[in-house]
Amino acid sequence: RKEVEQDPGPFNVPEGATVAFNCTYSNSASQSFFWYRQDCRKEPKLLMSVYSSGNEDGRFTAQLNRASQYISLLIRDSKLSDSATYLCVVTRTGTASKLTFGTGTRLQVTL
Amino acid sequence: EAEVAQSPRYKITEKSQAVAFWCDPISGHATLYWYRQILGQGPELLVQFQDESVVDDSQLPKDRFSAERLKGVDSTLKIQPAELGDSAMYLCASSPGVSRGADTQYFGPGTRLTVL
Repeated sequence: RKEVEQDPGPFNVPEGATVAFNCTYSNSASQSFFWYRQDCRKEPKLLMSVYSSGNEDGRFTAQLNRASQYISLLIRDSKLSDSATYLCVVTRTGTASKLTFGTGTRLQVTL
Repeated sequence: EAEVAQSPRYKITEKSQAVAFWCDPISGHATLYWYRQILGQGPELLVQFQDESVVDDSQLPKDRFSAERLKGVDSTLKIQPAELGDSAMYLCASSPGVSRGADTQYFGPGTRLTVL
């Protein structure tokens, strides 16, 4: 079983739609959680951190459920520019942090 | 805004040749990472440095891959000899370091390697 699992998609949604991605992680020692965005043939860029209390940044909302070991990302009012791959990332913080990526979920927003 | 620099951006080589990639992290970042990303997959950690020391190279194929960060600043990743399966994007990232309480990693633009 992979340490971080995501549905690879693609998710094809019309502009203005709300879309949600889920991610599950297997290591209960995971301590930090992030969503990264990666455009085609570009490097990953941090979208947002994920906290147990949930956090919101404009149209994006991230949630963490430690009991069930899953992370979610909700995008409201999708824009064409949201089309990208969204990578779920977990780390274990200690003497060194090891960042583990999921395979990513591809989102395509259409007119 | 400070960025992670990588060169070259693209590299085409024949199998059995040697290749080297260079990374210059954000100034002051103690931790440097090299990742490999195969098309359609997420990045996988190859090696992690804390300053000049390797702290994790468990996924580095040491028979052909080597990495160094001699002065604790910039870093080089080498493959010798290259194999067809090494074709991928090689990403470098840096972070301030766990000791400073931050995990966020910032990625460079990557080097896209094609082995023929």
